[in-house]
Amino acid sequence: GAVVSQHPSRVICKSGTSVKIECRSLDFQATTMFWYRQFPKQSLMLMATSNEGSKATYEQGVEKDKFLINHASLTLSTLTVTSAHPEDSSFYICSVVRNGAGNTIYFGEGSWLTVV
Amino acid sequence: GDSVTQMEGPVTLSEEAFLTINCTYTATGYPSLFWYVQYPGEGLQLLLKATKADDKGSNKGFEATYRKETTSFHLEKGSVQVSDSAVYFCALSVRRGSQGNLIFGKGTKLSVKP
Repeated sequence: GAVVSQHPSRVICKSGTSVKIECRSLDFQATTMFWYRQFPKQSLMLMATSNEGSKATYEQGVEKDKFLINHASLTLSTLTVTSAHPEDSSFYICSVVRNGAGNTIYFGEGSWLTVV
Repeated sequence: GDSVTQMEGPVTLSEEAFLTINCTYTATGYPSLFWYVQYPGEGLQLLLKATKADDKGSNKGFEATYRKETTSFHLEKGSVQVSDSAVYFCALSVRRGSQGNLIFGKGTKLSVKP
């Protein structure tokens, strides 16, 4: 069964509104989660590293005030796209590191965001 | 900077055909290499990996060999099935053994027809 759950899988929102995407680890606690974004015909690009109990680390070029990341518990990280615009329409996917032998990483199902 | 280039799809094959999806990379240091698969409606799953030159990763009939001399990690399968229809992503991590921070290719969609 699924190890990581991401919700919602698809969301359409109006320009100017905010959208929250959740990423949950179901079977284990995770101190680190990653958020990726994929534009059409582009690679999955790392946006930020979410650290439980501390501020997220953003990749260069990613606006931290626009993409708010909250990792308030060991099983949940949220990505909020604030004041969304059509150019934010993309595929967002999270990954979770399961600490231990091999540090296995699991991905969520991904979320398709369309801003109209 | 570090990057991954994989062949663009979509790739359409008949069942039992031979599959090759090319992947080449550019990296400073010594990357680990991965192939991920995403079936419709599901998250990415690790298909196979290789952590050093000449290593061969294999899983579910898929294979890929880490070729440092050609900076390649091509994915192959001798006989594909309809159930292999998915999007395949080649990826690298420059931190040896770590999968946390990955650099992905654009993905290649494979469709297998009966």
